[in-house]
Amino acid sequence: QSVLTQPPSASETPGQSVTISCSGKRSNIRSNPVSWYQQVPGTAPRLIIYDDNERPSGVPDRFSGSKSGTSASLAISGLQSEDEADYYCAAWDDDLHGWVFGVGTRLTVL
Amino acid sequence: EVQLLESGGGLVQPGGYLRLSCAGSGFNFNTYAMAWVRQAPGKGLEWVASISRDGDSTYFTRSVEGRFTIARDNSKSTLSLVMLYVRAEDTAIYYCAKTTGASPRPFDYWGQGTLVTVSS
Repeated sequence: QSVLTQPPSASETPGQSVTISCSGKRSNIRSNPVSWYQQVPGTAPRLIIYDDNERPSGVPDRFSGSKSGTSASLAISGLQSEDEADYYCAAWDDDLHGWVFGVGTRLTVL
Repeated sequence: EVQLLESGGGLVQPGGYLRLSCAGSGFNFNTYAMAWVRQAPGKGLEWVASISRDGDSTYFTRSVEGRFTIARDNSKSTLSLVMLYVRAEDTAIYYCAKTTGASPRPFDYWGQGTLVTVSS
């Protein structure tokens, strides 16, 4: 049940910045904290942003999150080749009483 | 170091049964809610189920409600997912995930995943 909308793909060159959007509704993004996960194909997901804009220890400050109303964004500055991965947003949904994920955005570092 | 190790995946026929297990180590297991998240081949992440720290509260995605059961044994630091009446659409890598606290909190550590294939 992917109820969070993300662009399927994004691309940018090394050193540049990119922003990935995540759109939801009142019952999920507006009402609850958003988290973001990075997944390099073939590996397990990794938490990179939680509570809208907090970074776990070990996550570079090149990664930042923001939220406004029913939308959230993940920004990555100073792109590096190792940032090439799939990125998922997620939030708890009060109507569904469960977690919802975005469909994922595949980031290509050209 | 936090570690989550899943086991129990494999090939199962439609309508069959499978039990997944997850062994946690390197953290105080009974302090954190836990969850299962799956990923079908070539698809995105899908939350499956969550369980509270004491095991008294459980939550399921609608497509598995009534068929799957999530449970935990805090004395052994283990999490389980019992899958009944499996369907082809249950085919996926199943990840065990630790949350950052009480449910619902985000998933800060993930296991390497165990593959479940439902096919005749």
